[in-house]
Amino acid sequence: KNQVEQSPQSLIILEGKNCTLQCNYTVSPFSNLRWYKQDTGRGPVSLTIMTFSENTKSNGRYTATLDADTKQSSLHITASQLSDSASYICVVALNYGGSQGNLIFGKGTKLSVKP
Amino acid sequence: DAGITQSPRYKITETGRQVTLMCHQTWSHSYMFWYRQDLGHGLRLIYYSAAADITDKGEVPDGYVVSRSKTENFPLTLESATRSQTSVYFCASSLGQAGRRTEAFFGQGTRLTVV
Repeated sequence: KNQVEQSPQSLIILEGKNCTLQCNYTVSPFSNLRWYKQDTGRGPVSLTIMTFSENTKSNGRYTATLDADTKQSSLHITASQLSDSASYICVVALNYGGSQGNLIFGKGTKLSVKP
Repeated sequence: DAGITQSPRYKITETGRQVTLMCHQTWSHSYMFWYRQDLGHGLRLIYYSAAADITDKGEVPDGYVVSRSKTENFPLTLESATRSQTSVYFCASSLGQAGRRTEAFFGQGTRLTVV
């Protein structure tokens, strides 16, 4: 079964610090990998989308990396802010749809940024 | 510039009642999706639609019914609500298939409680 695993499950950091979230996937056939940010009580919002040929993608203070060989991705947050407190969801897109649809979701990493 | 909106935001219903969750998008996106989000799970696909009058089951369709008579609307009906359907429901839309790297946009969610 196609799966996306994220670690850690939760993370607490101090404002201004950097952090890295991890994502491992066993999904085939792979099309692209996405990172979403989900604020409490809101829907997920896209941060980045990467295909297998893209190793790094940045969006402001967010930098995602992808290693298609090891099937791993990371999301690095630089100089964290209180507004970064949210769940970060790794999502892998398939080339075709099945009962899970085209998008396979991880369970997310809950990040708390403390002052 | 409303985007994608869900209604209601919160709903409490009794076991056995029929309830309909509404989803409306203003982009004329072809694809629309319904997901549920529960603790300990990633988002799971209930139903999706590739165009008006075309719908298909996702990973967890039992107990749900959908219709799509107009491109912009994709209502989700729980025919006879059960406590296990207590969840947060997200509607999403996209211009094309996820395998083609098209962005998926999510509504703000409907928190449904079945008592």
